[in-house]
Amino acid sequence: AQTVTQSQPEMSVQEAETVTLSCTYDTSESDYYLFWYKQPPSRQMILVIRQEAYKQQNATENRFSVNFQKAAKSFSLKISDSQLGDAAMYFCAYRTQGGSEKLVFGKGTKLTVNP
Amino acid sequence: EAGVAQSPRYKIIEKRQSVAFWCNPISGHATLYWYQQILGQGPKLLIQFQNNGVVDDSQLPKDRFSAERLKGVDSTLKIQPAKLEDSAVYLCASSLGDHSGSARKTQYFGPGTRLLVL
Repeated sequence: AQTVTQSQPEMSVQEAETVTLSCTYDTSESDYYLFWYKQPPSRQMILVIRQEAYKQQNATENRFSVNFQKAAKSFSLKISDSQLGDAAMYFCAYRTQGGSEKLVFGKGTKLTVNP
Repeated sequence: EAGVAQSPRYKIIEKRQSVAFWCNPISGHATLYWYQQILGQGPKLLIQFQNNGVVDDSQLPKDRFSAERLKGVDSTLKIQPAKLEDSAVYLCASSLGDHSGSARKTQYFGPGTRLLVL
């Protein structure tokens, strides 16, 4: 079974600076997808960024980028120019290609942004 | 485009009572998911529907949980009888669900229903 591990329960960053959130996963599959979701106190899960495993190029969405290391099964999220609105729980998630295609989530990292 | 709608947003019940949650997915989304998120953990899939058929319910506690999506659009999740450990946020998500590309399978989440069982 696939597992997702987020080893940092909490992180903090100063406004305007850069922070990296770590995620590792375990799978025997070669084709899959990885996601970072943001969950503010409202509890709604918001998609931040998506990476297809077959793509070597790291995904980027404005201030958010990933470092995808397939061999190491590592998928970290970098947030540049951190803003107060970035404060939230961040969840790393894995999705299989085919089958039920359910999302398997890590336990999350709570990000605090200090003014 | 309207997002995934869920109701109620909050519910407090006593153990052994029953409760039902409702979800209306994004228009045109064939696949609907129910996740349970216990405090301090990531969401865990309870059940997945493709149109009105069940794709995966392997982690649904079928002795007390049931779900349906009769017309392939909105869905209800029921707990009867509730236990203390059912206190959680119940998240509904939907996706287009076809096979034409990963972007079309991206799951979009509703605001969730926060359940407290006393």
